[in-house]
Amino acid sequence: GQQLNQSPQSMFIQEGEDVSMNCTSSSIFNTWLWYKQDPGEGPVLLIALYKAGELTSNGRLTAQFGITRKDSFLNISASIPSDVGIYFCAGQLYSYGGSQGNLIFGKGTKLSVKP
Amino acid sequence: KAGVTQTPRYLIKTRGQQVTLSCSPISGHRSVSWYQQTPGQGLQFLFEYFSETQRNKGNFPGRFSGRQFSNSRSEMNVSTLELGDSALYLCASSSTVYRAFTEAFFGQGTRLTVV
Repeated sequence: GQQLNQSPQSMFIQEGEDVSMNCTSSSIFNTWLWYKQDPGEGPVLLIALYKAGELTSNGRLTAQFGITRKDSFLNISASIPSDVGIYFCAGQLYSYGGSQGNLIFGKGTKLSVKP
Repeated sequence: KAGVTQTPRYLIKTRGQQVTLSCSPISGHRSVSWYQQTPGQGLQFLFEYFSETQRNKGNFPGRFSGRQFSNSRSEMNVSTLELGDSALYLCASSSTVYRAFTEAFFGQGTRLTVV
């Protein structure tokens, strides 16, 4: 099925470092969502973006909806151990009239602690 | 407010059997979507239900079906199970009615293992 290109696939972080990840698509989306998933759990919504160019923060997390509507990035500042997990971007199309488009997910960015 | 509840959390089934998974959305949410998550394919959209009607369908075989009840609770059924159906099945609810922009909230998932 259709998927987004999310990078990097994995990264190691040291406490206090800033982290950046992004998603690109060949399709235009109307909404971008960022989720975090811990092992054995469902994805938890971190940030939702609704407008091209929009920059939104949630604590130490900042995400932007690209101007072309084909990309988005997520930054985590001053990382802490509990930031470890898998981060997913998701793009959503919709059509007017009430039909909600399904979410299309990236493959995820796995954040681990540097040994 | 209670989150999305999925039951059971874990299931082991034999090839050829069928299985039914259940999802109770967040109170007041009328849209329920189902996703399959596997290491190889990532998160893939199965279908979406709104007001007891299937509104959107992903690219899965007819062995995968679902339904939604008048209280918005949803069930997903997989018949004639195959080994490749082993996955984490996630349900997401959202409050979409005629609003274009919505946020999807996920349950913890049902881990299905087919042996």
